[in-house]
Amino acid sequence: KNEVEQSPQNLTAQEGEFITINCSYSVGISALHWLQQHPGGGIVSLFMLSSGKKKHGRLIATINIQEKHSSLHITASHPRDSAVYICAVLNSGGSNYKLTFGKGTLLTVNP
Amino acid sequence: DVKVTQSSRYLVKRTGEKVFLECVQDMDHENMFWYRQDPGLGLRLIYFSYDVKMKEKGDIPEGYSVSREKKERFSLILESASTNQTSMYLCASSWLAGEYNEQFFGPGTRLTVL
Repeated sequence: KNEVEQSPQNLTAQEGEFITINCSYSVGISALHWLQQHPGGGIVSLFMLSSGKKKHGRLIATINIQEKHSSLHITASHPRDSAVYICAVLNSGGSNYKLTFGKGTLLTVNP
Repeated sequence: DVKVTQSSRYLVKRTGEKVFLECVQDMDHENMFWYRQDPGLGLRLIYFSYDVKMKEKGDIPEGYSVSREKKERFSLILESASTNQTSMYLCASSWLAGEYNEQFFGPGTRLTVL
């Protein structure tokens, strides 16, 4: 079973700061998913990646397959970035749908 | 854009009641999922369906059943609701083909069982 650990659990930042959220996992994967959940519940997919780096606006996701680690970066953070960020992984050689989820990182960005 | 909708955002039921949670997706996805989300535990898979009338148990199926009579609709049923089923329930869908396909989530239903 893949163990997915996120750090930190909680993060408070000032508007404009550079944010990094980390995700590490114990077993090889075929894909990693970063998700965002705002208060109220709905989950939005941010990135799906299996190697390298992806960028969308102020968000950047990187993955190091050898080190079994991924990071989500937010540049020029804004209060609207306040949300729970969830990392989810798909195990290599397993089913093509069963995700293992981290417990999430609660980000609060103060104005 | 993929749209996944859930029938209720908030629901309050009494212990022993039969509860139906409905999920509809508009992108012709084959796969549909029901998860529950609890503080400190993250998301856990209850049931999964890869086609009409087809279903597979997830990690925590006890106390739940599902129904998929049409491709776009996946229902989660609590036959006799209990207080330990108070939770946030999230539906998701994805395409079937390919090594992995991104899952798209609905807005969630926060269920309280009294």
